[in-house]
Amino acid sequence: DADVTQTPRNRITKTGKRIMLECSQTKGHDRMYWYRQDPGLGLRLIYYSFDVKDINKGEISDGYSVSRQAQAKFSLSLESAIPNQTALYFCATTGRGVTSEAFFGQGTRLTVV
Amino acid sequence: AQKITQTQPGMFVQEKEAVTLDCTYDTSDPSYGLFWYKQPSSGEMIFLIYQGSYDQQNATEGRYSLNFQKARKSANLVISASQLGDSAMYFCAMRVRSTLGRLYFGRGTQLTVWP
Repeated sequence: DADVTQTPRNRITKTGKRIMLECSQTKGHDRMYWYRQDPGLGLRLIYYSFDVKDINKGEISDGYSVSRQAQAKFSLSLESAIPNQTALYFCATTGRGVTSEAFFGQGTRLTVV
Repeated sequence: AQKITQTQPGMFVQEKEAVTLDCTYDTSDPSYGLFWYKQPSSGEMIFLIYQGSYDQQNATEGRYSLNFQKARKSANLVISASQLGDSAMYFCAMRVRSTLGRLYFGRGTQLTVWP
């Protein structure tokens, strides 16, 4: 099994629809992150969580919400999808040290039409 | 503020040659880690190599080495003996202690290896 699993892998949805992206990890780490990748912009942080009771906004949180259902599960929701949310989304988890490797999911390609 | 800069949107190298991908960073935190990731066309993020700010030696992992110049705030990735399978997007990233583990990414460099 993969260390970090994202579902779905690909999704096409219509403008205005609510959509949830799910992430689960088996590394046992407390820290989980959602990133968005757009061509030419690298990865940008949407939300992050250090434990079930700790949720923090990243630099591009508008239009998104998250839920940390358990240590291993962290989901991202788009309450009302819009076309400029079309992107590649990554979930990641890390240990605590600054040199701790980040483990990424396979990514979710989301298209909003 | 933390920042990663990758100034090369695209690089080309012939098979079996070495190539250097540039990365500069900015942080005032003395404790940080620098990372390189590879993203093939399939989209997954593959961890390649890391360097800690207190590490005295440059990191190496097989054909990958990280040329860490702390005074210049640079962390260039060197790929020796390029292979066709090295064609991918490469991201430089940084974690700093003060921001509790989030990664800051550069915009990436698209490497193309030609025969």
